[in-house]
Amino acid sequence: DADVTQTPRNRITKTGKRIMLECSQTKGHDRMYWYRQDPGLGLRLIYYSFDVKDINKGEISDGYSVSRQAQAKFSLSLESAIPNQTALYFCATQPGRGTNEKLFFGSGTQLSVL
Amino acid sequence: QKEVEQDPGPLSVPEGAIVSLNCTYSNSAFQYFMWYRQYSRKGPELLMYTYSSGNKEDGRFTAQVDKSSKYISLFIRDSQPSDSATYLCAMSARSGGYQKVTFGTGTKLQVIP
Repeated sequence: DADVTQTPRNRITKTGKRIMLECSQTKGHDRMYWYRQDPGLGLRLIYYSFDVKDINKGEISDGYSVSRQAQAKFSLSLESAIPNQTALYFCATQPGRGTNEKLFFGSGTQLSVL
Repeated sequence: QKEVEQDPGPLSVPEGAIVSLNCTYSNSAFQYFMWYRQYSRKGPELLMYTYSSGNKEDGRFTAQVDKSSKYISLFIRDSQPSDSATYLCAMSARSGGYQKVTFGTGTKLQVIP
């Protein structure tokens, strides 16, 4: 089945460390997104990309950066991790044609920053 | 005020009950309305998708949209233990050249056998 795969599933790191979360998809979708999920705050958009050359900031991009290495790969980096970046991170894809708003999510990465 | 408000629950019901989940919103530009289901430690998966006001039915699930009241609902008939999950409402509006999706915070549902 076409899928959205996130690695790692869990990550524990220390304050100040640089880490990268990776996302790959076999759905052939153009659009890719990074969200974080926090209890009581729901899903918040960090970055999104409509194609390899089109990357945009979401509502909470400070402290994060992204790289769209190929149509199928979109990685999220925390340059210097801090404890309030502890959250569940999701990658999502979207077909990007017409007005199809349906998002397809990966299984998430639970990140803990100590 | 948040654009989308959703009661976080938790909501606990006996097996076979009818469940009603609700969201209100303030942005009248929202055009598409969705419900996602999220099991523990999994990503959200799309459950229902509607565009217009009215009802849309899919098996035991019915999505209802009332644009005049800015209110959407998801009804689950004959609820099963496998329905135990967090349900996220979501809605989208055109913003900066694409349909921006805004999520509710989710309602946690437990169906007790």
